Amino acid sequence: KAGVTQTPRYLIKTRGQQVTLSCSPISGHRSVSWYQQTPGQGLQFLFEYFSETQRNKGNFPGRFSGRQFSNSRSEMNVSTLELGDSALYLCASSSGWPGTQPSYFGPGTRLLVL
Amino acid sequence: EDKVVQSPLSLVVHEGDTVTLNCSYEVTNFRSLLWYKQEKKAPTFLFMLTSSGIEKKSGRLSSILDKKELFSILNITATQTGDSAVYLCAVEDNAGNMLTFGGGTRLMVKP
Repeated sequence: KAGVTQTPRYLIKTRGQQVTLSCSPISGHRSVSWYQQTPGQGLQFLFEYFSETQRNKGNFPGRFSGRQFSNSRSEMNVSTLELGDSALYLCASSSGWPGTQPSYFGPGTRLLVL
Repeated sequence: EDKVVQSPLSLVVHEGDTVTLNCSYEVTNFRSLLWYKQEKKAPTFLFMLTSSGIEKKSGRLSSILDKKELFSILNITATQTGDSAVYLCAVEDNAGNMLTFGGGTRLMVKP
């Protein structure tokens, strides 16, 4: 089975711009979660989508949003970028049932905001 | 709010040594605890633990969960330089596939 794929792998944006990141989960997985990883804060949960519905949301401002399509692919959007949004954004896919299968991570999108 | 604490923060050992990494947690509706290894890229899955006292093993790595004392350990025997990485512990509750991560343990294995 192919793993989790994320595009693009690298992005450079300037403050105030917006960005859209994409994630394709492992075939058959219905849950997609997004995480932000920074040296200072570690890995922090952004949100989780299951069958096109947001099931969980972390403590991030409303500038961070996401969606999931009927084929389970997911996108996350960050509007009005700030310098502090520079991070590695990781997507993880899972079957959707806690405790049954682990979450598998994609390679990430490294975002640099100038 | 779910909380995960890992210790030590970092560790330097020599090849052949055995290491034990610790993870303690507080979670409202515990479902599972997971260990990941992260080198200069995305975390790769190591173990998923749901039941107390049952050791999971993969080669030189093993892990066990204690749900009464709310902790888990990850053991690596006969360490190799390729084991150098950050080891992450995460917990999952019943709300969904949302992981709360600890800060990680950075392991360096010297030749």
